[in-house]
Amino acid sequence: SQQGEEDPQALSIQEGENATMNCSYKTSINNLQWYRQNSGRGLVHLILIRSNEREKHSGRLRVTLDTSKKSSSLLITASRAADTASYFCATGLYSSASKIIFGSGTRLSIRP
Amino acid sequence: EPEVTQTPSHQVTQMGQEVILRCVPISNHLYFYWYRQILGQKVEFLVSFYNNEISEKSEIFDDQFSVERPDGSNFTLKIRSTKLEDSAMYFCASSREGYTTSGPPEQYFGPGTRLTVT
Repeated sequence: SQQGEEDPQALSIQEGENATMNCSYKTSINNLQWYRQNSGRGLVHLILIRSNEREKHSGRLRVTLDTSKKSSSLLITASRAADTASYFCATGLYSSASKIIFGSGTRLSIRP
Repeated sequence: EPEVTQTPSHQVTQMGQEVILRCVPISNHLYFYWYRQILGQKVEFLVSFYNNEISEKSEIFDDQFSVERPDGSNFTLKIRSTKLEDSAMYFCASSREGYTTSGPPEQYFGPGTRLTVT
C-alpha cells in the first residue's frame, strides 16, 4: 500500500448512523492527522494522534491508531448532513520534520 | 475565529507567464506551508517555511518555484514560468507550533487558489 491509503474510497450512510473510515500506511510515522475537505474548499484539521497514543476523542470523533498494523480509523458518531465531505488521513514521518503526506481520501455522503 | 486567507481565488494565466499566489496566515503563526492538489489527485506538500527560510521542500518545488514573506503578514508562492501541469489548487497553511520530534503540527489551511494554465 502507499503511504496513507483510505478505505473505503466512498461511503454513503443514513443520517444518524456512525461512519467509520480507515487509513493504512507503509512507513513508520511519528504522528497521524485527520482532515476534512468540503467540496471545493480548504482542508480543516480534525484531530492529531501521536505514535505513542492509541485512541483519541474530540466531540463526535474517535480516532484509533495501531502502529503494529500501520493503520488508523476515524469514527464519526451520530452523523449529520453537515458531515458530508472528503476525509483524509495525513502522516508525519520520522524522516521529515514538517511535511505531512496526505492519503487519497474517503468521500462521505450522509443521506437525510 | 482567525483563518488563513488566500488571493486570488482563481487565477488564469498563459503558459510561460509568472504568477504570484498570495496568502495571509493566521497572525500569531510562525510556520508556513504550501501544498497543491491537482484535480482528482492527492494533496501534495510543496514547501515549509520558518524564520524567513525554507525548512523543507519536495521534489515538485524546483527552481521555478519560490516563496517569500515580503512583510509581516503576507506569504507568497511564485511560479516563474508556468507550465500546463502547474494547473492545480494551491493551498497555503500555517501552524502555531513548530516541527518537533513528535512530528509535524496541526496545520490551518486557507481556501485555496485555483490556478489554470492555458
